[in-house]
Amino acid sequence: AQSVTQPDIHITVSEGASLELRCNYSYGATPYLFWYVQSPGQGLQLLLKYFSGDTLVQGIKGFEAEFKRSQSSFNLRKPSVHWSDAAEYFCAVGAGDNDMRFGAGTRLTVKP
Amino acid sequence: DAMVIQNPRYQVTQFGKPVTLSCSQTLNHNVMYWYQQKSSQAPKLLFHYYDKDFNNEADTPDNFQSRRPNTSFCFLDIRSPGLGDAAMYLCATSRGGGLLYEQYFGPGTRLTVT
Repeated sequence: AQSVTQPDIHITVSEGASLELRCNYSYGATPYLFWYVQSPGQGLQLLLKYFSGDTLVQGIKGFEAEFKRSQSSFNLRKPSVHWSDAAEYFCAVGAGDNDMRFGAGTRLTVKP
Repeated sequence: DAMVIQNPRYQVTQFGKPVTLSCSQTLNHNVMYWYQQKSSQAPKLLFHYYDKDFNNEADTPDNFQSRRPNTSFCFLDIRSPGLGDAAMYLCATSRGGGLLYEQYFGPGTRLTVT
């Protein structure tokens, strides 16, 4: 079965600094890959997804992610972080009809 | 705005006392999902409905049941909550089945079991 690892439980960055959140997956075939964001008291919101094609995916709120098959990774990046980006970020891998497995999440803190 | 609504946002129940969590949607989506998210853990799919067809995950305990009386509403019933069932319960919807369709999440219901 597919699985996802987010190695960083908590990351702190300064406002305006660049951000990279790591995600590694395990799956035998080409996976469907997702990044979600969860702000306090809110549900999960889809930032971006990869199904096939261009390995660099653009998402909402200025985020992007790159699928690297050789490294089994799908890292999320943003060139300049805003205070409003402070939230929990979840990577997910999908296979099959509705089988989506989430990572444990990375909590992002943004310092002023 | 079209959305996914969960009521209540916070629910406290006693050990062994049945509890029902509610989810409604104005998106007119065919699929509704229930996830369990324990503290500092990943959301875990419990089951989903495609229209009236119920799909249970293999490892979802029998203690958890669900009802979908119509397109708009879906309920999660916990027949005899244990302390280990304390979690955030997330409802989500999608227009169609399969991961090609984006899932839209509600804000969740945080369940406390005393």
